[in-house]
Amino acid sequence: QKEVEQDPGPLSVPEGAIVSLNCTYSNSAFQYFMWYRQYSRKGPELLMYTYSSGNKEDGRFTAQVDKSSKYISLFIRDSQPSDSATYLCAMSSSASKIIFGSGTRLSIRP
Amino acid sequence: EAGVVQSPRYKIIEKKQPVAFWCNPISGHNTLYWYLQNLGQGPELLIRYENEEAVDDSQLPKDRFSAERLKGVDSTLKIQPAELGDSAVYLCASSLQSGSYEQYFGPGTRLTVT
Repeated sequence: QKEVEQDPGPLSVPEGAIVSLNCTYSNSAFQYFMWYRQYSRKGPELLMYTYSSGNKEDGRFTAQVDKSSKYISLFIRDSQPSDSATYLCAMSSSASKIIFGSGTRLSIRP
Repeated sequence: EAGVVQSPRYKIIEKKQPVAFWCNPISGHNTLYWYLQNLGQGPELLIRYENEEAVDDSQLPKDRFSAERLKGVDSTLKIQPAELGDSAVYLCASSLQSGSYEQYFGPGTRLTVT
């Protein structure tokens, strides 16, 4: 079993929809939770970061962490075609070594 | 501010040949990472440098892979000899300091071994 599980998709939604992306994990020592966005032929870029449990909002993006369920989510409101990319969850117990999920491919239809 | 620079962007070689990838991190970033990303997978850490010291190379296949970061700035990752299974994207990333969750990635080198 992988330490971090993520549905690979692909996920296709119409423009303006709310998108929900999720990951589960098995290592209870994880305290740092991140979401990276990766466009085709590019490197990942950090989108959101959360420490421990709780919610964090940044514009149209909201990250949620539920440590009791070992479950993290990223919500995208008012999705745009420019949001089409692969979204990687990532987590770490020390921030020195990050474990990435396999990524969910998201497509926003105009 | 210039991002992480990697070259070449694409490389096609025959199996058993050597290959090298180069990375120039963001200026002032002391920590440098090399990751391997297979198709449909997330990046997996190969090696982490703090300045010129390799502090985590536990996932680097040392029989064929080697890396160096002379003077604590640029870094080179080498494979010799390459195998078919080495076909992947090799990503370089840097962060301001060790323990930083904010890693900045380069565009990667896409390696195809035939």
